[in-house]
Amino acid sequence: EVQLVESGGGLVQPGGSLRLSCAASGFTFSRYNMNWVRQAPGKGLEWISYIGSSNSSIYYADSVKGRFTISRDNAKNSLYLQMNSLRDEDTAVYYCTRDGGDVGDYWGQGTLVTVSS
Amino acid sequence: DIQMTQSPSTLSASVGDRVTITCRASQSISSWLAWYQQKPGKAPKLLIYKASSLESGVPSRFSGSGSGTEFTLTISNLQPDDFATYYCQQYNNYSPDTFGQGTKLEIK
Repeated sequence: EVQLVESGGGLVQPGGSLRLSCAASGFTFSRYNMNWVRQAPGKGLEWISYIGSSNSSIYYADSVKGRFTISRDNAKNSLYLQMNSLRDEDTAVYYCTRDGGDVGDYWGQGTLVTVSS
Repeated sequence: DIQMTQSPSTLSASVGDRVTITCRASQSISSWLAWYQQKPGKAPKLLIYKASSLESGVPSRFSGSGSGTEFTLTISNLQPDDFATYYCQQYNNYSPDTFGQGTKLEIK
């Protein structure tokens, strides 16, 4: 069974940093591209970052470019999102998603990041 | 970036009804469109990909159509479990993935 489990969310002050993790199981992690998607409270979905299966390609949404860094460790079946210089508007549930045929076919349960003083 | 516009924002319907949600892209995305269902407090679930392909395990009462800039999600014979929020997503390889703003399907 495919499982994606995010962790690392929490309360952080504006300007602070946080590192999210996504533990993958039930599939060959190294063969799949992965994404982070977020959802602010009561709002819609926003794609924020993509990483290719072998770290070959990395993309960011303009809203997080220069502040967030996506990475992965295929040996540990894990995806990461390092978030720096956090802003109030980064408050959201953050989901990791697996790209199956270029579309998010599996999603984790999400981890809540709250940026507030 | 490609903008995705869903309509309506809210839809009221009854069990057994047939409903249609529309998604329009600001430029052609061929058939690179997906539909997701999201229930409160849960992650989105993939229903349809490549505009009209049904994801494995999804009931056949869900169907998608369209290409280019206009797409529809149709749910036939609405069931109580179908009341949720639905999102379209374009995944054209030449631009960042973007989602529609969502359509909340409510019980009438």
